[in-house]
Amino acid sequence: KQEVTQIPAALSVPEGENLVLNCSFTDSAIYNLQWFRQDPGKGLTSLLLIQSSQREQTSGRLNASLDKSSGRSTLYIAASQPGDSATYLCASEGGGGNKLTFGTGTQLKVEL
Amino acid sequence: DVKVTQSSRYLVKRTGEKVFLECVQDMDHENMFWYRQDPGLGLRLIYFSYDVKMKEKGDIPEGYSVSREKKERFSLILESASTNQTSMYLCASRRRLAGDNEQFFGPGTRLTVL
Repeated sequence: KQEVTQIPAALSVPEGENLVLNCSFTDSAIYNLQWFRQDPGKGLTSLLLIQSSQREQTSGRLNASLDKSSGRSTLYIAASQPGDSATYLCASEGGGGNKLTFGTGTQLKVEL
Repeated sequence: DVKVTQSSRYLVKRTGEKVFLECVQDMDHENMFWYRQDPGLGLRLIYFSYDVKMKEKGDIPEGYSVSREKKERFSLILESASTNQTSMYLCASRRRLAGDNEQFFGPGTRLTVL
């Protein structure tokens, strides 16, 4: 059974810092890895999806990488801003398709 | 843009009541999903549907049922609500093909069962 882990559970950084959020998964037989953002009390917003054949995806200040062999993905946020404060979740889609397994998230706070 | 809407943002019900949570998507997606989210446990899949009138159990289907009579609408039903079903419920949708399609989420319904 796939297990997805995100460490740390919470992170606080000053504005302007570049930062990396980590996601690890136990079963490397995945179709894709998706990163989401969740604001307090809200639903999830899809940020980036990396297919199993890809190594990374970029959108603006965000870059996500995938290393299937080591069971890891990272989300890199450049020049962080207070508006980036949210919980970031990763999820893998595994064998059989259609089922995402979520990590419990990293709660990010970017301070002025 | 894909839009997934849920009928209520907040809902308060009493133990034993029958509860309906509605989800509608406007992008003609074949697949729809219901999750619940609890602190420390993350998101867990309750049920999903890959076509009208089709449904499959997720990881925690006990105490829930679903209905998909139209492609755009997926309903989650709590036949007899219990306090341990107090949670945030999230609906999602995606196109049929696995592997290269994002899931899009609704804003969530926070259900409290007293």
